[in-house]
Amino acid sequence: GEDVEQSLFLSVREGDSSVINCTYTDSSSTYLYWYKQEPGAGLQLLTYIFSNMDMKQDQRLTVLLNKKDKHLSLRIADTQTGDSAIYFCAERNHGSGNTGKLIFGQGTTLQVKP
Amino acid sequence: DVKVTQSSRYLVKRTGEKVFLECVQDMDHENMFWYRQDPGLGLRLIYFSYDVKMKEKGDIPEGYSVSREKKERFSLILESASTNQTSMYLCASSLGAASAYEQYFGPGTRLTVT
Repeated sequence: GEDVEQSLFLSVREGDSSVINCTYTDSSSTYLYWYKQEPGAGLQLLTYIFSNMDMKQDQRLTVLLNKKDKHLSLRIADTQTGDSAIYFCAERNHGSGNTGKLIFGQGTTLQVKP
Repeated sequence: DVKVTQSSRYLVKRTGEKVFLECVQDMDHENMFWYRQDPGLGLRLIYFSYDVKMKEKGDIPEGYSVSREKKERFSLILESASTNQTSMYLCASSLGAASAYEQYFGPGTRLTVT
């Protein structure tokens, strides 16, 4: 079945780059997303990439998609303490129809040390 | 701005009680979702609804039911709460293809069943 996998924890120093990785199994994925969850809050969309793209950049965020390996990554440049949060990878595939159903990974907790 | 609100941030209930979690969105979205979030397991879909009075089971529907009588409101019902339903519950809504299936999340309800 459909599956999205992430490592559970990443620790970096303030000012370094962070790279959060995600793998998925469904080759019919159409959109892939990165969501951020700050403590005590719901999820907020950071960015998404359509499956016919390889890369998307938005300020400090760079998303890379390798469709052959079914691998998605999120790079945060110049990581700040305010970036400490849980980051979720999610995908939507053709089987979702128009319902908007997404499949989420387990979430990666990013810890930024001063 | 899309706003998704949930009726309670924190809830404590006893085993066997009937529990209602309410979610309201103000953007006329067709699709609404209920997830539970547990550490290490990410978000798991309980139920979703793609129209008024329409519902579909997600990945873990056992022990839950839902109601969608009005477009803006989607309720999650625990018929007889059990301790293994202690969790964070997140509601989301989505417009669908017109917004790249982005899901907008509420702040969550942390439910404790004792």
